[in-house]
Formats: sequence, structure tokens, C-alpha cells
Amino acid sequence: EIVLTQSPATLSLSPGERATLSCRASQSVSSYLVWYQQKPGQAPRLLIYDASNRATGIPARFSGSGSGTDFTLTISSLEPEDFAVYYCQQRSDWPPITFGQGTRLEIK
Amino acid sequence: VLLLESGGDLVQPGGSLRLSCAASGLTFSTYAMSWVRQAPGKGLEWVSTVSGSGGSTYYADSVKGRFTISRDNSKNTLYLQMNSLRAEDTAVYYCAVWNSNFDPWGQGTLVTVSS
Repeated sequence: EIVLTQSPATLSLSPGERATLSCRASQSVSSYLVWYQQKPGQAPRLLIYDASNRATGIPARFSGSGSGTDFTLTISSLEPEDFAVYYCQQRSDWPPITFGQGTRLEIK
Repeated sequence: VLLLESGGDLVQPGGSLRLSCAASGLTFSTYAMSWVRQAPGKGLEWVSTVSGSGGSTYYADSVKGRFTISRDNSKNTLYLQMNSLRAEDTAVYYCAVWNSNFDPWGQGTLVTVSS
């Protein structure tokens, strides 16, 4: 089973700042890494697929990078609506499909 | 695309429950479908996936042998039969289209296992 480790667990930033979230895989997942955003009381929403491709309707301030075992989600300039929990997920070797434990992005 | 889960309830340990997910706005039979759960205050956990035809099914080890995923393509509906429920199965259960990622998701249905 591929284990995904996200860091930091919590990130405290202010609107307008740049956010950098990390996801590390226990073995290579090539580029088969996905990012989701989840706001309180809502279902997760797809942000980035295949490491660097924005999903339909996702603003350009969201970008993904990385391959192999190290991946990054970057939000270039935080908007108030971006404060949420972010999860990574791998589809390289499944079952099982695995998620990271999440990074909570909170307002400083 | 709209996914609408139902069937969540309070059930005693050892009990059974069947969840449903009604899909609209897509050619249902052409898409694999999945269940993903989230325990209160916790992260996301993949539970199960079924192919578009229903011929292939996959399960997390934590539910294998207790849960059964199925679908009725004539009704555009996905199911999750949950038996021998445990306290640790308490979670919001989401259905989602699986196309190498989960998108879109339903709004979720809450299953509580407690005496």
C-alpha cells in the first residue's frame, strides 16, 4: 500500500499570501497524484489531477507540481474562500486508493 | 452531474444497512463508481469501487467481506450493502464517479454505528 504523507498538518497564512502544501509518497506514483479541497460541511472538490492539471473551473492561482514521490500544491495568492482542508490522493497502484491525512489551511 | 446518496441511519453494532446513490446527468453505465467515507473530524478513506458494467469490484481491507458494492444501470443507482457494522464504520459516506480521480462527489450520507 502506498502511504501519502502531507505536510504541514496545519498552515496559518493571511489572504494574499502564497501557500505551499506538500505531499510525499512512500514509493513512486509517477504523475498519478490528485489534489482535493474540502470546506466544512461540504464534499471534497477535485482541484488538480495527474499532478499538474487543473480541473474544470479551478482558478489559475492553484497549481500543482512534482512527480515520483514529492508533490506540491501551490496557491499563488490566497483568497478568503481558499481556507479549507486539502487532501492528496494516488491512483498509481490500486487497490487500495489512498489519501494523505490532509493539510488544514487556516486564516492567520 | 448530480449524485444523491441516501440510506444513512443510526444502527447497532453488528447490524446492516444499505446505502444508495442516485445518479443523473451522465451516462451512468460508462463510469466506474466509488464509495469514500470520512469519520467525524477525520480524513478521507476509500471504501470500494465498481466498474461501469458491475463486473469488477474492489474493496478496502477494512471492509472486505462485510461490505458489498453493486449497481443497477437500468436505475442509474449505486449501492453499498454494509453488514456486520462496527463502531469504526461510523462516517459520512460519499459516492463519487471514479475516472482515475473522484469527480464529482455526492453530498454524503451519515452512518452512525452505536448502541
